[in-house]
Amino acid sequence: DTAVSQTPKYLVTQMGNDKSIKCEQNLGHDTMYWYKQDSKKFLKIMFSYNNKELIINETVPNRFSPKSPDKAHLNLHINSLELGDSAVYFCASSRTEAMNTEAFFGQGTRLTVV
Amino acid sequence: SQQGEEDPQALSIQEGENATMNCSYKTSINNLQWYRQNSGRGLVHLILIRSNEREKHSGRLRVTLDTSKKSSSLLITASRAADTASYFCATVDSSYKLIFGSGTRLLVRP
Repeated sequence: DTAVSQTPKYLVTQMGNDKSIKCEQNLGHDTMYWYKQDSKKFLKIMFSYNNKELIINETVPNRFSPKSPDKAHLNLHINSLELGDSAVYFCASSRTEAMNTEAFFGQGTRLTVV
Repeated sequence: SQQGEEDPQALSIQEGENATMNCSYKTSINNLQWYRQNSGRGLVHLILIRSNEREKHSGRLRVTLDTSKKSSSLLITASRAADTASYFCATVDSSYKLIFGSGTRLLVRP
């Protein structure tokens, strides 16, 4: 059973399009995250939700809008895609927002904007 | 912003040798975690060390933490080709964010 699953794994799209990435965790965790990994492998936190409530919102363009319909799901919608949005996006979850235990990561979604 | 800097950026060793990676960070932390990322895959948690701990072991892994120097090290003993991956340290501060370092790319040659 996959603990944290994201779809799609690969996404190639044209500039200006709107796209969504879905994430689901079956671990019963309260907290979920979106991270962006750039071409130099730097990982940056984008958002964090705890029990469907937004708790971390880094300086991310408002073209990015996370949505958490329930605590097991955290989707990422991106409007008006730009070339600079090309990256690998990782979803993750942890038992609580305190991050005093490990985080579990999905396999990533490689987004390529052309 | 990046919390941690890792050193070296890349490391190439022979199978059987030990690999040591270092991580430095800037602010006070609650805990520090190490993760492994195989090429094209997600991150896998290796070990978590709390701010009041100095050393922790897990199998062939040994992690140290020096809060006075704001640094940590990961030692992999008797390395194997399967250990080839990128290794990241990540810190958790009072804002509960998991902030990653820049990573060390480890190559273990058979």
